Amino acid sequence: QKEVEQDPGPLSVPEGAIVSLNCTYSNSAFQYFMWYRQYSRKGPELLMYTYSSGNKEDGRFTAQVDKSSKYISLFIRDSQPSDSATYLCAMSEGGSNYKLTFGKGTLLTVNP
Amino acid sequence: SQTIHQWPATLVQPVGSPLSLECTVEGTSNPNLYWYRQAAGRGLQLLFYSVGIGQISSEVPQNLSASRPQDRQFILSSKKLLLSDSGFYLCAWSPGFNYGYTFGSGTRLTVV
Repeated sequence: QKEVEQDPGPLSVPEGAIVSLNCTYSNSAFQYFMWYRQYSRKGPELLMYTYSSGNKEDGRFTAQVDKSSKYISLFIRDSQPSDSATYLCAMSEGGSNYKLTFGKGTLLTVNP
Repeated sequence: SQTIHQWPATLVQPVGSPLSLECTVEGTSNPNLYWYRQAAGRGLQLLFYSVGIGQISSEVPQNLSASRPQDRQFILSSKKLLLSDSGFYLCAWSPGFNYGYTFGSGTRLTVV
């Protein structure tokens, strides 16, 4: 079983739709969870950062972490064509364990 | 504010030629620095990380090396490139291990 699994998509939605992106993981020691957005031929950009279980909201974006199920989600409300990108989940154990483990990314297209 | 610079943006090199990619960070001191490679379908692979000048840790044995000659400068090198070294190389920094990373804009390397 891979340490972090993410549906590669592609995912295509109409403008204004609610988008749900998900990752599952196997390492119960992960405590820090992140979502990155990567536009084509650009570096990833940090969107959301959460610690442990719970929800975090930032504008149209909501990140959810369910450590009991080893499952994290990113919701995008009122999706816009500018949200079209690859979304990568990432997580780490924290402390002295430096390593950030990434999912392979989900390609999202929002159609106007 | 902190900024990260990475160059060149694109590079085409023949097999067996040397490589030098440079990354610099501004607006912070003693950052953690990282080199990643992103290959199609394989996600982000951590190559090297550094917690200070002259301190380099390697994640994956390969014909690449990294150096940190100054606090905010990180260099990725190779003496002889292989075809398999082609990919998108990303530099990143973080203020510590329990933080998200900020990525540079990347270098797309094609070895021919």
